[in-house]
Amino acid sequence: NAGVMQNPRHLVRRRGQEARLRCSPMKGHSHVYWYRQLPEEGLKFMVYLQKENIIDESGMPKERFSAEFPKEGPSILRIQQVVRGDSAAYFCASSPPISSPNTEAFFGQGTRLTVV
Amino acid sequence: GENVEQHPSTLSVQEGDSAVIKCTYSDSASNYFPWYKQELGKGPQLIIDIRSNVGEKKDQRIAVTLNKTAKHFSLHITETQPEDSAVYFCAANGQNFVFGPGTRLSVLP
Repeated sequence: NAGVMQNPRHLVRRRGQEARLRCSPMKGHSHVYWYRQLPEEGLKFMVYLQKENIIDESGMPKERFSAEFPKEGPSILRIQQVVRGDSAAYFCASSPPISSPNTEAFFGQGTRLTVV
Repeated sequence: GENVEQHPSTLSVQEGDSAVIKCTYSDSASNYFPWYKQELGKGPQLIIDIRSNVGEKKDQRIAVTLNKTAKHFSLHITETQPEDSAVYFCAANGQNFVFGPGTRLSVLP
């Protein structure tokens, strides 16, 4: 049973380009979370999705950031017109529904985005 | 929404001693409290969790306790080893998983 898969592991983008980060959840998991982590800091919640539905996007910046989890394929975190301040590690976690009695969230290894 | 606080932010212990990390949460509706260990350059790894219907859970050298009335829960690591050195995060399931700011544990040989 493969774990949460994130790719790419490292991504370098020039200012103004677009970054696309992908996350494939664990088999059997229907929900995905995205977190951002700056060096030496904690995990900041960005968005919580289930397939074809955004459940909570209260942590997403209002502009340039979007997320989706289509019926088929991985969840995508998209950052348009990247700026240096977007440089961070972005982690994805997957779980069954948060309200289910067997909720456990497992993380991927992250994508380290560097904006130059 | 849920708010999770975590103390201390850094903790140094001698190898073989015990380490305790404490967290508090604000949302009384939260009922699941996991702990994660993050090593440098890696993703957080789930190490133990506790649900609101129990007060304590143990797995070898690590244990977690929960006090629902006071809204706090703690991670206990006994007989610490150098490989326990990492950043530890607590979390609570409000509307989503909300994390504490982390504790950097250093186990000194």
